[in-house]
Amino acid sequence: QAVLTQPSSLSASPGASASLTCTLRSGINVGSYRIYWYRQKPGSPPQYLLRYKSDSDKQQGSGVPSRFSGSKDASANAGILLISGLQSEDEADYYCVIWHGSAWVFGGGTKLTVL
Amino acid sequence: EVQLVESGGGLVKPGGSLRLSCAASSFTFTTYNMNWVRQAPGKGLEWVSYISSSSSYIYYADSVKGRFTISRDNAKNSLYLQMNSLRAEDTAVYYCARETPETNDFHIWGQGTMVTVSS
Repeated sequence: QAVLTQPSSLSASPGASASLTCTLRSGINVGSYRIYWYRQKPGSPPQYLLRYKSDSDKQQGSGVPSRFSGSKDASANAGILLISGLQSEDEADYYCVIWHGSAWVFGGGTKLTVL
Repeated sequence: EVQLVESGGGLVKPGGSLRLSCAASSFTFTTYNMNWVRQAPGKGLEWVSYISSSSSYIYYADSVKGRFTISRDNAKNSLYLQMNSLRAEDTAVYYCARETPETNDFHIWGQGTMVTVSS
């Protein structure tokens, strides 16, 4: 079982909100980790969006709009990237990342389609 | 402008070797931990290796351990990845990424260099 699991795709309408999940493998407690989120558009390197561990330990990437926010669902052992007020330019691949076992671990990515 | 520029990619036969470079500019390279991250065609991102600012700490993904070696030359503002015993599954775009101190995010990325392993 992968350390981080993301749904492969998600579709949402312009102006709506999208909740992208990043589920940690059983036995790895989401509460213990900073979860980093990146966005990647075709042909470009990834862009750092934000980091979330708790409401007192979070950081927005430089220039990243406040409509991007992070949270956690402890009951699901998952990190969440919430994008509100979806725009067409939000269509991209989104990756969650944690530092685990002396390694950076990337989730498989979620392809967000805005239509 | 803060910049990372990768080079050294190309076509190599299985079992061959390649050395990637990442040239840093417009920031104090010696104070930053650095990483290599790769992306196979049509696939997701995969972390490859990490090196601390003074080279004291080095980590590798299991998939490359024993075959790849990360290094840096702070005097030349450069990061390297020596790749040996290359396999078809190492085919990917390789990115170098700068890790922000304390927060550890990968805020700066290069544009990537393509490595193709094929006979």
